[in-house]
Amino acid sequence: QVYLVESGGGVVQPGGSLRLSCGASGFTFRSYALHWVRQAPGKGLEWVAVISFDGNNEYYADSVKGRFTISRDNSKNLMYLHMNSLRDEDTAVYYCARSSGAHSSSWSFFDYWGQGTLVTVSS
Amino acid sequence: QSVLTQPPSVSGAPGQRVTISCTGSSSNIGAGYDVHWYQQLPGTAPKLLISGNNNRPSGVPDRFSGSKSGTTASLAITGLQAEDEADYYCQSYDSSLSGWVFGGGTKLTVL
Repeated sequence: QVYLVESGGGVVQPGGSLRLSCGASGFTFRSYALHWVRQAPGKGLEWVAVISFDGNNEYYADSVKGRFTISRDNSKNLMYLHMNSLRDEDTAVYYCARSSGAHSSSWSFFDYWGQGTLVTVSS
Repeated sequence: QSVLTQPPSVSGAPGQRVTISCTGSSSNIGAGYDVHWYQQLPGTAPKLLISGNNNRPSGVPDRFSGSKSGTTASLAITGLQAEDEADYYCQSYDSSLSGWVFGGGTKLTVL
């Protein structure tokens, strides 16, 4: 059984920083690319970032490029999202999702999702 | 404004058939990229429903089916059940944005 568990969400002031974690079990972690997808309150899904199976390739949505950094530690089965210069519009539930493949291929999709962690940016 | 366009809501009575459309452009669906569908039950995380335009993962009932033609994809649900009441999202890849894109979501109400 594939499990993805996010943590690290909370309330942060505009301009602040936060680090989210995603722990995984039930599959060979180092063999899959991983994504972050977010959902603002009452809104739809927005892709945020992806990291390849080996951590050598990462891509970001324009809305977070230069502010967010995705990383992973294959020895610990953990993925991270480092968020800096947070804005009100970053308020959302952040989901980690497993890619259907090892690479950040344009043909891949999100085959398993975590339960999400809420990030609230507010003064 | 989402890159992929879905109707905000659809509804149907138990046992009926409903379809949800997902309209894209020449840089995503029209470019040949696959369309995938996710179901999000109230208060839960999204779940993969259809992959690669028309493939159902293990455990997804055959009441759910997908199709794609040109710049539009569709999700069909037959034999509607109360448990199908959820938000449904289409997803593809966009070459202009160099990223994965979603539709705005469609809320299905079972009357």
